[in-house]
Amino acid sequence: EIVMTQSPATLPVSPGERATLSCRASQTISSNLAWYQQKPGQAPRLLIYGASTRATGIPARFSGSGSGTEFTLTIGSLQSEDFAVYYCQQYNHWPRTFGQGTKVEIK
Amino acid sequence: EGQLVESGGGLAQPGGSLRLSCAASGFTFNTYEMNWVRQAPGKGLEWISYVGSTGKTIYYADSVKGRFTISRDNAKNSLYLQMNYLRAEDTAIYYCTRDRGLRFDGDAFDIWGQGTMVTVSS
Repeated sequence: EIVMTQSPATLPVSPGERATLSCRASQTISSNLAWYQQKPGQAPRLLIYGASTRATGIPARFSGSGSGTEFTLTIGSLQSEDFAVYYCQQYNHWPRTFGQGTKVEIK
Repeated sequence: EGQLVESGGGLAQPGGSLRLSCAASGFTFNTYEMNWVRQAPGKGLEWISYVGSTGKTIYYADSVKGRFTISRDNAKNSLYLQMNYLRAEDTAIYYCTRDRGLRFDGDAFDIWGQGTMVTVSS
């Protein structure tokens, strides 16, 4: 099973600042990585697939990069609605696995 | 855009059974692969099962293999999860998700239902 490790667990950020979230895979997963955003009481929402392609309707301030085992999600200028938990997920191998999440909170 | 609506959650006793359903609308259900993902209270996301568009290809997480059965009825635009031999650790919100469907052997999950809560307790 591929283990996905996200860092940091919690990221305090001031509104308007940039946030950088990391995700590492225990084995190479090519670019078969997705990022999801989850707000309290809501289902997750797909932000990024293919490591760097924004899903439909996702603002341009969200960007993804990386391939192989190291991946990054960058939120360019945090808006109030961006404070949430973010999960990475690999879909290169079975079983599909998620990282443990990074909570982006207001600093 | 598409919508998924789960139902069937509730309280079950350890060793008991529940059957979850997921009703799909707004897209051609029989052309998409589907999954179940769960989230224990206050915890992260756990993928638990996948079914291909025809129902022939199925995968399970080790944590549910032999106890849960995924199935679909394309004529009814519905996905199911039969859960047997339930344990306390199966307590979670269960989400039905759709694969984007543009990659062979599975893709990211682009549509999620609102989830249905399953509580396993005596």
